[in-house]
Amino acid sequence: GAVVSQHPSRVICKSGTSVKIECRSLDFQATTMFWYRQFPKQSLMLMATSNEGSKATYEQGVEKDKFLINHASLTLSTLTVTSAHPEDSSFYICSARVGPGQGGSGANVLTFGAGSRLTVL
Amino acid sequence: GENVEQHPSTLSVQEGDSAVIKCTYSDSASNYFPWYKQELGKGPQLIIDIRSNVGEKKDQRIAVTLNKTAKHFSLHITETQPEDSAVYFCAASGAAGNKLTFGGGTRVLVKP
Repeated sequence: GAVVSQHPSRVICKSGTSVKIECRSLDFQATTMFWYRQFPKQSLMLMATSNEGSKATYEQGVEKDKFLINHASLTLSTLTVTSAHPEDSSFYICSARVGPGQGGSGANVLTFGAGSRLTVL
Repeated sequence: GENVEQHPSTLSVQEGDSAVIKCTYSDSASNYFPWYKQELGKGPQLIIDIRSNVGEKKDQRIAVTLNKTAKHFSLHITETQPEDSAVYFCAASGAAGNKLTFGGGTRVLVKP
């Protein structure tokens, strides 16, 4: 089946530094990937839609200069948290849409990565 | 935009009993309703989904029902086992794109 790999799984950084999280579709091509943020015991909140070869689309309230998204290839999207602060500490999860013929059961099927836990000291 | 409400927020059942989680959505244009299971420290895993042209779908011990008129859908887990303990999320997306809107989640605990 379709697999989405996310790296790193855990990262601890100092306040003011930048952190990059990678999201890869391992056995399929993903023109669209999604980045979610999840606080403890809460639901997943969509941050942005990452489009291969074009600019990401950010949800209302998400700072695009704070959360830089790059989708340079059909199998890789990256999220960079710039000048991270303790309030950016969270669980970041990416997902990719699996189309028909790629192991998915149809349009809109999303496969999620294992998530990246960011702790900013 | 779409709003998805999920109930209950926590659910404790005895092993072997059934568990039911209910969700309502607001956007009548939504046509895809997946359910995800998330274990501690991991990403969500798709367990079953249903599309608006179907009223019910079953996969072994898991079933989902959809009532488009009332705009609600439910997850049913029968013969629950301790490994079913996790957080379950419902979600909805519409024809306008692939964005999923998630419910608040249900923490299910299956007691041996």
